[in-house]
Amino acid sequence: EAQVTQNPRYLITVTGKKLTVTCSQNMNHEYMSWYRQDPGLGLRQIYYSMNVEVTDKGDVPEGYKVSRKEKRNFPLILESPSPNQTSLYFCASRRWGRGNQPQHFGDGTRLSIL
Amino acid sequence: QQQVKQSPQSLIVQKGGISIINCAYENTAFDYFPWYQQFPGKGPALLIAIRPDVSEKKEGRFTISFNKSAKQFSLHIMDSQPGDSATYFCAATTGNQFYFGTGTSLTVIP
Repeated sequence: EAQVTQNPRYLITVTGKKLTVTCSQNMNHEYMSWYRQDPGLGLRQIYYSMNVEVTDKGDVPEGYKVSRKEKRNFPLILESPSPNQTSLYFCASRRWGRGNQPQHFGDGTRLSIL
Repeated sequence: QQQVKQSPQSLIVQKGGISIINCAYENTAFDYFPWYQQFPGKGPALLIAIRPDVSEKKEGRFTISFNKSAKQFSLHIMDSQPGDSATYFCAATTGNQFYFGTGTSLTVIP
């Protein structure tokens, strides 16, 4: 089954404690992306990657890091989480090309940073 | 600032009615305009999409109307059903970067 898998699905942690949210896709997609969803703000793009070792900033990259060492994986790293990063996070992937390739989203990771 | 503006924030429609959600943008570099549907506890899923060289696209009960000169596009859901109750997001992209609207919570009353 084609899917984007995120882990963990839920996490409560404290300010400053480094954390990583993993994202894996089994569709051999070149493009992967991270979003955060906040009430009243919709989804905002954090980082995206067009292929292995190629990443770029989205609209709200501050406080986040990413890496793309393998095609299937695109982890999101919060080096020093702060309460304003409490949010619902989504990973997505799609085949590379023009924008008309549909994005496939994971089911989300709800992060609470105290 | 919000690159894609979406309205209304919430919408209540009777079963069988028409649901209309509107979006507007400013950046003329956007070349693809998808709509996503999201159910609670799930990620967004592509519903329908349009390119700016087309004024309308229809897939079943879902239609996108696109007005390039006004920089506006809208989603029409005909014969709305309770199963359509979800949050809908419009989006715009240049290919790499995606910008989403703030979402519309649709409730279809039986």
